[in-house]
Amino acid sequence: GNSVTQMEGPVTLSEEAFLTINCTYTATGYPSLFWYVQYPGEGLQLLLKATKADDKGSNKGFEATYRKETTSFHLEKGSVQVSDSAVYFCALSDSSGGYNKLIFGAGTRLAVHP
Amino acid sequence: DTGVSQNPRHKITKRGQNVTFRCDPISEHNRLYWYRQTLGQGPEFLTYFQNEAQLEKSRLLSDRFSAERPKGSFSTLEIQRTEQGDSAMYLCASSLEGERQPQHFGDGTRLSIL
Repeated sequence: GNSVTQMEGPVTLSEEAFLTINCTYTATGYPSLFWYVQYPGEGLQLLLKATKADDKGSNKGFEATYRKETTSFHLEKGSVQVSDSAVYFCALSDSSGGYNKLIFGAGTRLAVHP
Repeated sequence: DTGVSQNPRHKITKRGQNVTFRCDPISEHNRLYWYRQTLGQGPEFLTYFQNEAQLEKSRLLSDRFSAERPKGSFSTLEIQRTEQGDSAMYLCASSLEGERQPQHFGDGTRLSIL
């Protein structure tokens, strides 16, 4: 079945460091891919998305490119801030049932210190 | 633009009691989803509504769980005879119709079973 694998956290970085969070997926067909962010005590916020191969999603300095050949959707940011500290979830949209059930990875906690 | 609203934010109850959660989706969204998130994990799909019709239920949704979406507006999720294992964050999401439409999440209801 469809699945998403994320790198384990926590990831601890200093402010202004470069961030990469790895995400790979297994899917039949051509799913859409998403990154969601979850701050403590809150629900998930959509960070960015890509709907087809080679698409690049971007938002708030974060980027991820849909790589079909490596089945990956790695999240990157050139310079992180303390306010980026959160849990990041990679997800794919399984539309085999005619609707978009999201399948999530386990999440990667990011801690950025000054 | 009001987002997805969930109530209550927190619910503490004794084992064996019944609980009900409410979700108000974004008004123009006809698709509504429920997910469950346990500590340190990504959300897992529970059930999906298109308008008032419940079109899929996960095997995670035992017969103690029931969800409704009368008139295709708000939705309720009820858990009868709660068990310790039901302790989790219950997340609601909504989206427009369309294969590539992203889901927008509420802040969730955290259920704690004593």
